[in-house]
Amino acid sequence: DTGVSQDPRHKITKRGQNVTFRCDPISEHNRLYWYRQTLGQGPEFLTYFQNEAQLEKSRLLSDRFSAERPKGSFSTLEIQRTEQGDSAMYLCASSPATDTQYFGPGTRLTVL
Amino acid sequence: KNEVEQSPQNLTAQEGEFITINCSYSVGISALHWLQQHPGGGIVSLFMLSSGKKKHGRLIATINIQEKHSSLHITASHPRDSAVYICAVVGGATNKLIFGTGTLLAVQP
Repeated sequence: DTGVSQDPRHKITKRGQNVTFRCDPISEHNRLYWYRQTLGQGPEFLTYFQNEAQLEKSRLLSDRFSAERPKGSFSTLEIQRTEQGDSAMYLCASSPATDTQYFGPGTRLTVL
Repeated sequence: KNEVEQSPQNLTAQEGEFITINCSYSVGISALHWLQQHPGGGIVSLFMLSSGKKKHGRLIATINIQEKHSSLHITASHPRDSAVYICAVVGGATNKLIFGTGTLLAVQP
């Protein structure tokens, strides 16, 4: 399978714990996006990487959130000191140098 | 006011009916996507268009750039079409997507 993959698919954690999600984009896609989707809503943009450079961050991305894309390949999204409001589906998408974005299956986070 | 508005939010149809979902946006865009999301989360791009009309099987998407409006049509709807349909516009230098809230479609046999 050469699509976008995300790991884990589901994560249940207790409030205050740290969590880390991984996204593996389609090989050679230089653009990578993270989005967050809460129940009943459309996804919202979190952050964007072009190769290893993080070029845009939403104001939704508080200082508890950090994202990296070392070497311009896979990306990680870490949430520190999770809160119940962080419960959502975290989606990753990758893109070549066009407008088309290819989505991963998402990581569903539940914070108890 | 959201930058991307969809209507209706919920739609129930009988199998075989012609379905229309509308999307209006208020920002400048380079392109517009129609996406399909099934329960469980996976999102699939159905169309990307920047002008005119595109057709794929029973699905038709149109866009009017001057009126900032797009429609997704499904002909001869089928229960397997049941899903959330999301309109998203491509905005900004990074080509990030700005999403509507989605339309939950249920097609009953």
